[in-house]
Amino acid sequence: DVKVTQSSRYLVKRTGEKVFLECVQDMDHENMFWYRQDPGLGLRLIYFSYDVKMKEKGDIPEGYSVSREKKERFSLILESASTNQTSMYLCASSLPSGTGPSGKLFFGSGTQLSVL
Amino acid sequence: DQQVKQNSPSLSVQEGRISILNCDYTNSMFDYFLWYKKYPAEGPTFLISISSIKDKNEDGRFTVFLNKSAKHLSLHIVPSQPGDSAVYFCAASSLQGAQKLVFGQGTRLTINP
Repeated sequence: DVKVTQSSRYLVKRTGEKVFLECVQDMDHENMFWYRQDPGLGLRLIYFSYDVKMKEKGDIPEGYSVSREKKERFSLILESASTNQTSMYLCASSLPSGTGPSGKLFFGSGTQLSVL
Repeated sequence: DQQVKQNSPSLSVQEGRISILNCDYTNSMFDYFLWYKKYPAEGPTFLISISSIKDKNEDGRFTVFLNKSAKHLSLHIVPSQPGDSAVYFCAASSLQGAQKLVFGQGTRLTINP
């Protein structure tokens, strides 16, 4: 089974802090994604990456950056955390297009981030 | 703008009956649709999908129907079981968008014994 591991289950940070959320997948997937889940808004895509050192903005990239130095690891960075970034953050991975159903993502368990 | 919409935030169904979850989309470029299920404190897990070349896909108790002209899809669960209580998200993708999924807001399904 694919395993996507997010380093923290719960995280509490102060406004203005730099925050790192780490995600590791063990299935050699090319694609990795960061979503945030908010009540009434569903899952919204922050950033994604199709390969090492490649990144593309999703629908809500403002206030975030990402890093992908190794294929299995995709980090989400909040440069200066703000209260409106309090959310559930979900990392996901998938195979590239053409190798399986388009869009079948494997998710981690999520990190609930609270910014005070 | 919300390209994928689930207009019912919650749904309550009696055990053994049929659960029908609905989803509407606005982007005619979407060509692949998926349903994910999410339990509390867990990440979403893939449930079932359908390509735009089909109008129905069945997997055990779960069936997804796609009406392209109405830009509408639905998930039918029959018979509903207590373990089906979860939040269900529909999602869509397009060839242009590669594997970038657009999700709906989610519907919380509660199965009552």
